[in-house]
Amino acid sequence: EAGVAQSPRYKIIEKRQSVAFWCNPISGHATLYWYQQILGQGPKLLIQFQNNGVVDDSQLPKDRFSAERLKGVDSTLKIQPAKLEDSAVYLCASSPQGVYTEAFFGQGTRLTVV
Amino acid sequence: GDSVTQMEGPVTLSEEAFLTINCTYTATGYPSLFWYVQYPGEGLQLLLKATKADDKGSNKGFEATYRKETTSFHLEKGSVQVSDSAVYFCAIYNQGGKLIFGQGTELSVKP
Repeated sequence: EAGVAQSPRYKIIEKRQSVAFWCNPISGHATLYWYQQILGQGPKLLIQFQNNGVVDDSQLPKDRFSAERLKGVDSTLKIQPAKLEDSAVYLCASSPQGVYTEAFFGQGTRLTVV
Repeated sequence: GDSVTQMEGPVTLSEEAFLTINCTYTATGYPSLFWYVQYPGEGLQLLLKATKADDKGSNKGFEATYRKETTSFHLEKGSVQVSDSAVYFCAIYNQGGKLIFGQGTELSVKP
């Protein structure tokens, strides 16, 4: 079974530029998460989708971050414009619908804003 | 809001030593509890879980027991190996359907 795919693995951009990350969850998984993990900290939930609807985006900085989940499958997370403090690893995870079992994580995208 | 607190790292142990990583949580009701592990250069992966009070999760020699009375889910292993060196994250899945992580504890095991 293929895991959660993310791209790119690494990205370096200058502040005020824009960047986009892509995630392909495990086939059939209804729930998709985007987390931000700053060095030395635990993952912080940015947004959670159930199919193509948003369940929780309370910690998403909506003035600069946006996310969508196309047809309830792939998802993209965009930052525009980026700030230095956005440097982090962006993790995508998915889980099956129904009784919660576990979330499966991709390897993440490491973003460096200079 | 709901939260997870883990003991500060890094934790450095010699091979075959006993490991405990403390985790406590704040949440209403009965959240599901998890330990995830992140090996160097890899993504997060589930280590073990417990979904109700007094449940014990176990995997790869690691164990943790869901203690509702103390809102804790401490991770233990009787004899660590160098290959256990990683960052360990305690997490809860709360009644609101959110998966919330602690800050992580780095474990380094020396031969």
